[in-house]
Amino acid sequence: DSGVTQTPKHLITATGQRVTLRCSPRSGDLSVYWYQQSLDQGLQFLIHYYNGEERAKGNILERFSAQQFPDLHSELNLSSLELGDSALYFCASSVDATENQPQHFGDGTRLSIL
Amino acid sequence: DQQVKQNSPSLSVQEGRISILNCDYTNSMFDYFLWYKKYPAEGPTFLISISSIKDKNEDGRFTVFLNKSAKHLSLHIVPSQPGDSAVYFCAASAQYSGGGADGLTFGKGTHLIIQP
Repeated sequence: DSGVTQTPKHLITATGQRVTLRCSPRSGDLSVYWYQQSLDQGLQFLIHYYNGEERAKGNILERFSAQQFPDLHSELNLSSLELGDSALYFCASSVDATENQPQHFGDGTRLSIL
Repeated sequence: DQQVKQNSPSLSVQEGRISILNCDYTNSMFDYFLWYKKYPAEGPTFLISISSIKDKNEDGRFTVFLNKSAKHLSLHIVPSQPGDSAVYFCAASAQYSGGGADGLTFGKGTHLIIQP
């Protein structure tokens, strides 16, 4: 158990809809990262938040957004969903925003778009 | 453009022998490297990491070697055990210009199978 909690575990919805994925980091961790894992692309970094502030963006679509709240949990919002958004979405956390800290991953949310 | 490559999609090793997983990278800005292990239906589990100022890091049965000139790292597992059967991901990160860690760049993984 990594200590990172993601909810829900599974989500099934239709094209055009909007969903929110939630992540609670390990106790004491200030950084939260979001990743997308699809069959053809592997694990891709989406966005990084540190103590409530956005720190870095990766391959995140404009239809996607995230935020980190004062209690340090984070939410990833996906809107105008398309079939290609079907993937596993992982959240990871680390102690702070410095480089040499391992990231610890949750078990992911599997998103299926019908 | 794949910046982190794991060229072996799968590797089969006999129990008790050494498992060697390889990873190559192209981005010279990477200076922190990690190995993760992943079982089906679970998230990646952190195994071991190495900073670019070192060439070796050891933790129990796991040793990571870094060859910066060749932009190559490897993970050695010895002795290999049945519970080591999983997908192993190599990952790398770099400081970004604003200061602080960027997200990890992952390879596509190597499926390690330990045979009894």
